[in-house]
Amino acid sequence: GAGVSQSPSNKVTEKGKDVELRCDPISGHTALYWYRQRLGQGLEFLIYFQGNSAPDKSGLPSDRFSAERTGESVSTLTIQRTQQEDSAVYLCASRTVPGAGESYNEQFFGPGTRLTVL
Amino acid sequence: QQQVKQSPQSLIVQKGGISIINCAYENTAFDYFPWYQQFPGKGPALLIAIRPDVSEKKEGRFTISFNKSAKQFSLHIMDSQPGDSATYFCAASKGGGATNKLIFGTGTLLAVQP
Repeated sequence: GAGVSQSPSNKVTEKGKDVELRCDPISGHTALYWYRQRLGQGLEFLIYFQGNSAPDKSGLPSDRFSAERTGESVSTLTIQRTQQEDSAVYLCASRTVPGAGESYNEQFFGPGTRLTVL
Repeated sequence: QQQVKQSPQSLIVQKGGISIINCAYENTAFDYFPWYQQFPGKGPALLIAIRPDVSEKKEGRFTISFNKSAKQFSLHIMDSQPGDSATYFCAASKGGGATNKLIFGTGTLLAVQP
């Protein structure tokens, strides 16, 4: 079946511009995550959506970052007034809700959007 | 603050050899420890995962060893193959109905030479 898809695959923008990144999770996956991967570093958690619950925004680095998700479908990550330090690969992941007695389900990652801020 | 430390940063292994990657964590509340494999241009994919109630888990050529008292865990790749060349990330998470966000190590770039 189809995996997590993200668009665009690459985005080059100028400092100060706004950008919007899109994630299409696997159908039926109620949980959705955004992570950031800077060059040579591990992934950093940004934000988490679960169904209609309030999102966990604890990883967003500044108020220039925001994300939305409509129901259990597409999510968009918006970065306003981009800075050079925002250059990174932005990864989206989705998963189902764990079954009874389980705490975890595998997170399935998309290929990411490589953002370059000039 | 780095909560999961991973080493080495890069590793070169001959075909057929054993690749060993180590991770250490700080938060004793973590109770799920996955390893992810990432090829260039792709997102990470789950390779193998372990819970702290066991000391070892094996799936094919991949084994996780877990030392709860030392707060360390490692990935062993037996009979390493050129196709295993990728970046490997360890991670940790805390369950119990929470976000289950993954805290990642900084990654190890593995090159298996033919």
